[in-house]
Amino acid sequence: EAQVTQNPRYLITVTGKKLTVTCSQNMNHEYMSWYRQDPGLGLRQIYYSMNVEVTDKGDVPEGYKVSRKEKRNFPLILESPSPNQTSLYFCASSLLRAGRTDTQYFGPGTRLTVL
Amino acid sequence: QKEVEQNSGPLSVPEGAIASLNCTYSDRVSQSFFWYRQYSGKSPELIMSIYSNGDKEDGRFTAQLNKASQYVSLLIRDSQPSDSATYLCAVRGNDYKLSFGAGTTVTVRA
Repeated sequence: EAQVTQNPRYLITVTGKKLTVTCSQNMNHEYMSWYRQDPGLGLRQIYYSMNVEVTDKGDVPEGYKVSRKEKRNFPLILESPSPNQTSLYFCASSLLRAGRTDTQYFGPGTRLTVL
Repeated sequence: QKEVEQNSGPLSVPEGAIASLNCTYSDRVSQSFFWYRQYSGKSPELIMSIYSNGDKEDGRFTAQLNKASQYVSLLIRDSQPSDSATYLCAVRGNDYKLSFGAGTTVTVRA
């Protein structure tokens, strides 16, 4: 089954404790992206990647890191989480076609709480 | 940073009526436009994509794009209770970043 998986689905942590949220897709997609969703603000892009070893900042990259060592995986790293990073996080992937991103498939989401 | 604005909700429509959703964007060079549906607690799913001016129809959904007015809309005909969800407008420019509006929540009354 074609899908984007994220782990963990729910996470409660404390300020300053490094964490990683994993994202994996089995569709051989070039493009992968991380978003956070907060009430009243919609989805905001954190980082995206157009291929292995190619990453770029989205609109809200501060406090986050990513890596793309393999095509299928795109982990999101919070080196020192703070309470303002409490949010619902989505990973998404798509093909790149003729200079545009195709349909983005979203993972199930990770609800993160930082105390 | 691209700005995407959607009409504030919530929008309540009776079953069988037309729901009209509007979206405006600030970046004139935007190339691709998308409507996503998101049920409460679930991830967004794509309903429509539109790339050129005019209308695009898919079943009960019609997307309309007017680049000169920087406006994109979504019409849901014969609204069903299963259409009750939050609808997100998304816009992509010459780069690969996708910007989303805050969403409009639609409730279809049986």
